[in-house]
Amino acid sequence: DGGITQSPKYLFRKEGQNVTLSCEQNLNHDAMYWYRQDPGQGLRLIYYSQIVNDFQKGDIAEGYSVSREKKESFPLTVTSAQKNPTAFYLCASSKGTGTVNYNEQFFGPGTRLTVL
Amino acid sequence: QKEVEQNSGPLSVPEGAIASLNCTYSDRGSQSFFWYRQYSGKSPELIMSIYSNGDKEDGRFTAQLNKASQYVSLLIRDSQPSDSATYLCAVGVVGGFKTIFGAGTRLFVKA
Repeated sequence: DGGITQSPKYLFRKEGQNVTLSCEQNLNHDAMYWYRQDPGQGLRLIYYSQIVNDFQKGDIAEGYSVSREKKESFPLTVTSAQKNPTAFYLCASSKGTGTVNYNEQFFGPGTRLTVL
Repeated sequence: QKEVEQNSGPLSVPEGAIASLNCTYSDRGSQSFFWYRQYSGKSPELIMSIYSNGDKEDGRFTAQLNKASQYVSLLIRDSQPSDSATYLCAVGVVGGFKTIFGAGTRLFVKA
């Protein structure tokens, strides 16, 4: 089955800790994204990557970091600098350029992060 | 600031009725438009994509796009209780890979 996996499903973080959220896709998509969703709110873009070894900041990148060493993987680190990290984190991917539907995004199941 | 606006609802319709969800966007040059369904506690699921003016039908769902009015809508015919969810409108940013999401409209279908 092709799809996007995220792990863990639930994550608890203590104050001052860095944590890393995993995102893997086997859809052969070039672009990958990280969003944050707070209760009752829409999706806010944290980081995105169009190709391997390249990524750009989204609207709320402060306190987060990413890497894109492989096409299939786009992990997100929530650092201790992120002051209010409790949220639902969603990873998505889309096809590369050259197709009319290149920015149709497909989402993983999400990781729910809680700060203790 | 590019924006996508949706009525937050909740929109309540009886089972079997037509549910109409609306969305407006600010970037006149936008070319790609999407509707996602999100059940409580779950991730968004893409249900419709539309790229040109007019209607696009897929089963009980119809997406309607009017670029002149910067308006996109989703109609759900023969609404079922299982359609109860939050529906997110999303618009592709011109010239890039980014997509702007609306805050969503909550739909309740009463049995």
